[in-house]
Amino acid sequence: GENVEQHPSTLSVQEGDSAVIKCTYSDSASNYFPWYKQELGKRPQLIIDIRSNVGEKKDQRIAVTLNKTAKHFSLHITETQPEDSAVYFCAAHLSGNTGKLIFGQGTTLQVKP
Amino acid sequence: KAGVTQTPRYLIKTRGQQVTLSCSPISGHRSVSWYQQTPGQGLQFLFEYFSETQRNKGNFPGRFSGRQFSNSRSEMNVSTLELGDSALYLCASSLAGEDYGYTFGSGTRLTVV
Repeated sequence: GENVEQHPSTLSVQEGDSAVIKCTYSDSASNYFPWYKQELGKRPQLIIDIRSNVGEKKDQRIAVTLNKTAKHFSLHITETQPEDSAVYFCAAHLSGNTGKLIFGQGTTLQVKP
Repeated sequence: KAGVTQTPRYLIKTRGQQVTLSCSPISGHRSVSWYQQTPGQGLQFLFEYFSETQRNKGNFPGRFSGRQFSNSRSEMNVSTLELGDSALYLCASSLAGEDYGYTFGSGTRLTVV
């Protein structure tokens, strides 16, 4: 079945540095790839998403890239700030598999002041 | 507009009991999906409802069930609770359960003792 692998599981960076989180999916019919940020005790919040017909998308300090051939997508956060510290989840939606997101295992990002 | 509302926020139940959780989606959203979040298994898809019909189902036992009402509000029921059912239960609403915009509620923290 569909599977999403996410790396690294933990990431520690200095404030102002960049952070990159990578995910690989197994089913080439996946057509939508959202990224969620979850702070402790709070709901997952959508921070950026990309559809399979787009290679890259950027929103201020956050960008996502998609390589359909290699079946992997990445989250890039530039100029990190302490408030970026959270758990980040990638996910994939398989075309036709309504309502279902397959999540990666999460990356705990720590931004040190 | 109002977000996704889940009630109650916290529940403590005893093994063998049953529990019902509620999710009110964003106005206009017709698809409601349910997820179980645990430290060990991450975010796992339970099922999705659209227009009062279960359209998709994950790999959970029959003790987990749900329904959706004509106003798109959804309920999830777990019968014969087990200790392993302790988790954060999240619902996500979207327009139609396809490749766009899943918004999560704050979840119900269920503890089974």
